[in-house]
Amino acid sequence: DGGITQSPKYLFRKEGQNVTLSCEQNLNHDAMYWYRQDPGQGLRLIYYSQIVNDFQKGDIAEGYSVSREKKESFPLTVTSAQKNPTAFYLCASSMQGGQPQHFGDGTRLSIL
Amino acid sequence: SQQGEEDPQALSIQEGENATMNCSYKTSINNLQWYRQNSGRGLVHLILIRSNEREKHSGRLRVTLDTSKKSSSLLITASRAADTASYFCATVHNSGGSNYKLTFGKGTLLTVNP
Repeated sequence: DGGITQSPKYLFRKEGQNVTLSCEQNLNHDAMYWYRQDPGQGLRLIYYSQIVNDFQKGDIAEGYSVSREKKESFPLTVTSAQKNPTAFYLCASSMQGGQPQHFGDGTRLSIL
Repeated sequence: SQQGEEDPQALSIQEGENATMNCSYKTSINNLQWYRQNSGRGLVHLILIRSNEREKHSGRLRVTLDTSKKSSSLLITASRAADTASYFCATVHNSGGSNYKLTFGKGTLLTVNP
């Protein structure tokens, strides 16, 4: 079955630690996205990538970094510079920008 | 801001009734999309309506778009308990070339009581 796999489902971060969230898709989609969702809120765009080896900052990129070395993979690193990282992180992909997005089932990140 | 805003924030109905959710936005769009999110899960795309379309149907879903009022509505007919979820509208804006931005609203939490 084609889809998007996010791992881990739950993640805990210690003070000063960087953590990396995995996102893999086998839909052959060019575009991939990372969103942050806080309780009772909509999704806010962190980073997006329209093609391999290229990515753009979204609305709330500070304290986060990404890479896009392979079409299938778009990992997100939450750095120690992100002072309020507790949230639900969602990865998505689409054939091209502006088209319907397919989402993974998210990673819930908490602070220890 | 392009952000769509859903109304109401929460809606509780009985099984079999219809549910209507509204979305308003501020500037021009290429298309508008509706998504559903079950608790603790990712979003699932429901329907896309282009800026030159006024109405679209998919099964029990009916979406309308009024670009003059910058608003859209999602109607779910004959609701079922399994329709209980949060529903989000997302506006798509082309900022030049192949750059499209999808902006989500805060969602409507729909509860369908058996």
